Amino acid sequence: DAKTTQPNSMESNEEEPVHLPCNHSTISGTDYIHWYRQLPSQGPEYVIHGLTSNVNNRMASLAIAEDRKSSTLILHRATLRDAAVYYCILLSSARQLTFGSGTQLTVLP
Amino acid sequence: DAGVIQSPRHEVTEMGQEVTLRCKPISGHDYLFWYRQTMMRGLELLIYFNNNVPIDDSGMPEDRFSAKMPNASFSTLKIQPSEPRDSAVYFCASSLVGGQNEKLFFGSGTQLSVL
Repeated sequence: DAKTTQPNSMESNEEEPVHLPCNHSTISGTDYIHWYRQLPSQGPEYVIHGLTSNVNNRMASLAIAEDRKSSTLILHRATLRDAAVYYCILLSSARQLTFGSGTQLTVLP
Repeated sequence: DAGVIQSPRHEVTEMGQEVTLRCKPISGHDYLFWYRQTMMRGLELLIYFNNNVPIDDSGMPEDRFSAKMPNASFSTLKIQPSEPRDSAVYFCASSLVGGQNEKLFFGSGTQLSVL
């Protein structure tokens, strides 16, 4: 599977937007971009995914670069409950999620 | 639906003992995945099943590990004999048809400590 690169950690203030970047320069044309998050002492939780177009759901937005070599997860108003490790994952036709080290998001009150 | 259910939540055992972890996937899901999470190696896929049949077990660390799925609503991951380096959090996940365009649902995990 193609690899992703994320910052190890980020901080945000409560109720402010957060932009979590992910680089995936070796992405193939058929790879889907998935985001999961893991809250402390819990299993990973699906956040959002997309292929080429930007996507929105009740949790977040996903902005995908035109060349698909990078993407950004956007939390519109961070809350303390959004503090978690966020994983950006490329899903190939192999149908296997391969997790990297993710970004530890800290939300400051 | 109650989601993916794993048991036990915590397991403490002594080296050499057999350990069995259990998972009940979401009803109707055709794919089941077992992951292991450690500080050193992060989240690793161990094995996954499609319609109760193991598809890829290349992530299983060694012969001491085995996984079964006797029916669509139950899977086990067994370690025999267990060793301290097996200490980790083990997650089970399931998905509807295993496609790229769908999401995985994870259980809460089993925290295994081998003394």
